[in-house]
Amino acid sequence: EAQVTQNPRYLITVTGKKLTVTCSQNMNHEYMSWYRQDPGLGLRQIYYSMNVEVTDKGDVPEGYKVSRKEKRNFPLILESPSPNQTSLYFCASRLIGRGLATGELFFGEGSRLTVL
Amino acid sequence: AQRVTQPEKLLSVFKGAPVELKCNYSYSGSPELFWYVQYSRQRLQLLLRHISRESIKGFTADLNKGETSFHLKKPFAQEEDSAMYYCALLTGPGGYQKVTFGTGTKLQVIP
Repeated sequence: EAQVTQNPRYLITVTGKKLTVTCSQNMNHEYMSWYRQDPGLGLRQIYYSMNVEVTDKGDVPEGYKVSRKEKRNFPLILESPSPNQTSLYFCASRLIGRGLATGELFFGEGSRLTVL
Repeated sequence: AQRVTQPEKLLSVFKGAPVELKCNYSYSGSPELFWYVQYSRQRLQLLLRHISRESIKGFTADLNKGETSFHLKKPFAQEEDSAMYYCALLTGPGGYQKVTFGTGTKLQVIP
């Protein structure tokens, strides 16, 4: 089954304790991206990757890191989490291009992170 | 810079009433527009896209380049339509594409 898988789905942590949220897709998509969803602010892009070893900042990258060593994986790293990073995080992937065969984003189920 | 505006945070309608969720965009090039839906406690999923010109679950959306709008419409709302709806804009050529989301509209269908 084609899917995007995130782990963990729920996490409570404390300020400053490094954590990683994993994201994996099995659709051979070049493009992967991380978003955070906050009430009233919608979806905001954190980082994205156009392919292996190619990453770039989105709209709200501060406090986050990513890596793309393999095509299927795109982990999100919070080196020193702070309470303002409490949010619902979504990973997504898609084929690059325009037209009916590409463009659609496939989302993971989300990871709810609470930083105390 | 590209931008997507969804002016309503919450839209409440009665079952059977028409629905229109507004979306306006700003982009000087050739856009691709999408509507994504998020049902309660579920992942976001594509509802429809302007280039497919389909009607999905009774919803339609027409791209109006003159008004830079991509409003989502349904003639008769159903309770199962209650969800969060996001308008999204895909811009740029192959290697430099960006997807920009609006802030979302929560649709509440009252029985």
